[in-house]
Amino acid sequence: QKEVEQNSGPLSVPEGAIASLNCTYSDRGSQSFFWYRQYSGKSPELIMFIYSNGDKEDGRFTAQLNKASQYVSLLIRDSQPSDSATYLCAGQPTGTASKLTFGTGTRLQVTL
Amino acid sequence: GAVVSQHPSWVICKSGTSVKIECRSLDFQATTMFWYRQFPKQSLMLMATSNEGSKATYEQGVEKDKFLINHASLTLSTLTVTSAHPEDSSFYICSANPPGLRYNEQFFGPGTRLTVL
Repeated sequence: QKEVEQNSGPLSVPEGAIASLNCTYSDRGSQSFFWYRQYSGKSPELIMFIYSNGDKEDGRFTAQLNKASQYVSLLIRDSQPSDSATYLCAGQPTGTASKLTFGTGTRLQVTL
Repeated sequence: GAVVSQHPSWVICKSGTSVKIECRSLDFQATTMFWYRQFPKQSLMLMATSNEGSKATYEQGVEKDKFLINHASLTLSTLTVTSAHPEDSSFYICSANPPGLRYNEQFFGPGTRLTVL
């Protein structure tokens, strides 16, 4: 079983809609979770991180964490074509200091 | 803040040669840096954790004698791919944690695309 799982997509949403990206994890002891955006041919860029149950908002982005269900999500409001990218979910497994385990990523396509 | 650079951004080499990739933290000191490899349409795979002043910690299945890591200063880690072969062609990315961040956020360099002919 993979430690962090994501649907590879592509997830296609129209411009202006809400994109919902989901991630599950297997290590119940994981404390912090990170969402990275990766454009084709580029390296990952940190968008948000979350460590407490509930929602965390930053501009058009909202991260959600449910530790009981071992579920993390990222909502992108008012999606723009420039949001088209692969979104990587990463967790910090128990006892791994600052190491990250990445999911395979979900490719998002925002259509005009 | 939290800028990580890599050099070179791309490199093409012949099979059997060695290639060195540099990772630098530009505005902070990093006692730990991470090296990842990413094949096309796949996710990032952690290769090793680079520790300043000590040996790197390699992930299972990564050959330490093939991927030499040197973290000689608090702002520089190098990855040398020795005797490179076409199957080593990949996107190599480093990352680092700026000190003082409570949740150990990692910031990535721009990556180095290696092509072995």
